[in-house]
Amino acid sequence: EAGVAQSPRYKIIEKRQSVAFWCNPISGHATLYWYQQILGQGPKLLIQFQNNGVVDDSQLPKDRFSAERLKGVDSTLKIQPAKLEDSAVYLCASSYGPLGVIGADTQYFGPGTRLTVL
Amino acid sequence: QQQVKQSPQSLIVQKGGISIINCAYENTAFDYFPWYQQFPGKGPALLIAIRPDVSEKKEGRFTISFNKSAKQFSLHIMDSQPGDSATYFCAATSNSGGSNYKLTFGKGTLLTVNP
Repeated sequence: EAGVAQSPRYKIIEKRQSVAFWCNPISGHATLYWYQQILGQGPKLLIQFQNNGVVDDSQLPKDRFSAERLKGVDSTLKIQPAKLEDSAVYLCASSYGPLGVIGADTQYFGPGTRLTVL
Repeated sequence: QQQVKQSPQSLIVQKGGISIINCAYENTAFDYFPWYQQFPGKGPALLIAIRPDVSEKKEGRFTISFNKSAKQFSLHIMDSQPGDSATYFCAATSNSGGSNYKLTFGKGTLLTVNP
């Protein structure tokens, strides 16, 4: 079974530039998550999709971050404009079902995109 | 803000020894406690998880001990191996309102197992 795919793996940009990350979840997984992992910290949930609908985006800085999951499969996360504090690894994860659905809620993470904002 | 406090920040263990990582939480609504293992350049991977209806869960060399009254849970790695060297994150979930749950992660423990 193929894992969660993410691209690019690395990205370096200047502050105030824009950047986009792409994620392709495991086939058949309805739930998709984007996390931000700052160096030395645990992942922090940015946004959660159930199929193509947003379930939770309470921690997404909506003035600069946006995400979409068209057709309920792959997803893109965009930052515009980027700030220095956005330097982090952006992780995508997917699960068959949402958390709380026992037996279907294990999250599988992709390798992440390391973003450096200069 | 809901938090999970993890300690120690780093841990060095000799091969064959026992590694112990601890986590504490405040929110009594947390009801699922997974541990994730992360190798450099990789995403976290679920290692083992426990729900609060049991006090201990064992899978191979990995054991979670859960103390509901103390609001603490810990990961024990028996017979630690150099291949176990990684960053370990504890996490917890609760209903964030309505029907949705989300994971709250600790800050991680960097485990180094010396040969």
